[in-house]
Amino acid sequence: QKEVEQNSGPLSVPEGAIASLNCTYSDRGSQSFFWYRQYSGKSPELIMFIYSNGDKEDGRFTAQLNKASQYVSLLIRDSQPSDSATYLCAVNMGTGGFKTIFGAGTRLFVKA
Amino acid sequence: EPEVTQTPSHQVTQMGQEVILRCVPISNHLYFYWYRQILGQKVEFLVSFYNNEISEKSEIFDDQFSVERPDGSNFTLKIRSTKLEDSAMYFCASRASIGREQYFGPGTRLTVT
Repeated sequence: QKEVEQNSGPLSVPEGAIASLNCTYSDRGSQSFFWYRQYSGKSPELIMFIYSNGDKEDGRFTAQLNKASQYVSLLIRDSQPSDSATYLCAVNMGTGGFKTIFGAGTRLFVKA
Repeated sequence: EPEVTQTPSHQVTQMGQEVILRCVPISNHLYFYWYRQILGQKVEFLVSFYNNEISEKSEIFDDQFSVERPDGSNFTLKIRSTKLEDSAMYFCASRASIGREQYFGPGTRLTVT
């Protein structure tokens, strides 16, 4: 079983719509969860982090965490063409948090 | 805003040569990481470093790799004898405290010929 799994996409949404990105992870002891955005040829850029079950909102972004289901999601409201990128889910494995595993990423296209 | 910096941005080397990739983490951060990303593939964890020693390493981080914090600001990744398959983007990242978010540098593109 892969440690962090994401649908590779591409996910295509029209401008102004909500984009929903999902991620599952295998290690039940994981405590910290992150969403990064990566444009082609660039480094990962932190979008959101979440440590507790429930929702966390920051501007147009909402992260959702369900530790019982080992599931993390990212919602992007009012999607813009500039949101077109690959979104990476990252999980700190175990309680120590010294090892961070990334999913393969979901490519998002926002059509103008 | 403080940021992680990496040098060089692009390194070309011949197979079998040693390379050193350099990183300057954010100044008050204590935890340092190296990742690699082969073109078209996912970001892969290599190693984490805290308190002048390796905290965790992946299966990729074998004897040809080493890390060092030679002074109070730099964090380096050395590849002793490069192979063609070491060609990738190498990212350095740092975080202030354990479990918290990491900030990535712009990366070094390593090309082994």
